[in-house]
Amino acid sequence: DTEVTQTPKHLVMGMTNKKSLKCEQHMGHRAMYWYKQKAKKPPELMFVYSYEKLSINESVPSRFSPECPNSSLLNLHLHALQPEDSALYLCASSQVGWPYGYTFGSGTRLTVV
Amino acid sequence: AQKVTQAQTEISVVEKEDVTLDCVYETRDTTYYLFWYKQPPSGELVFLIRRNSFDEQNEISGRYSWNFQKSTSSFNFTITASQVVDSAVYFCALSEGEAAGNKLTFGGGTRVLVKP
Repeated sequence: DTEVTQTPKHLVMGMTNKKSLKCEQHMGHRAMYWYKQKAKKPPELMFVYSYEKLSINESVPSRFSPECPNSSLLNLHLHALQPEDSALYLCASSQVGWPYGYTFGSGTRLTVV
Repeated sequence: AQKVTQAQTEISVVEKEDVTLDCVYETRDTTYYLFWYKQPPSGELVFLIRRNSFDEQNEISGRYSWNFQKSTSSFNFTITASQVVDSAVYFCALSEGEAAGNKLTFGGGTRVLVKP
């Protein structure tokens, strides 16, 4: 299995809603990442998990809350988002260390209304 | 300062034409890695190539070729005999040092449109 699976593919949520994005991989990778990509912009790193522990938080607002419950699963919990948070959220995984290439998922396209 | 610059925002070609995508990077590290990714409309970023800073050999993979010139901090990408399926956004990315946590810094991307 060489895939990173993200669900849902599309999500529309109101500003008062709570929702979660899910990312799963079964490649034995112990590093997992969340990237945010606004329209016509490059992906920007949000969080890095290494061995299920948060290792990098790129000063992301607290309305985004990551969670890595096990080595195969990465969640991003969303609460009280703003319309400007609408974007493609990409998950990726890699082996721990540097410089291992990522395997990206196809993303969750989030719209905040 | 922008670390990875892709000066071309969009390139339009007719099928079978060659297209070259420019990438210029900036880093103080002596050891670093450069990547190219393809992002089709489906959204997934597809890995194309990784090159370390000590390997300046050009590389060819099918219709794809890469020209790495450390002296000009450039890592350009050429698609030969383009096809409609090559239509996508292409990102150049830089990975600097283990302390950066295997973080990828992407250029702004170049949208390639191949017309039949």
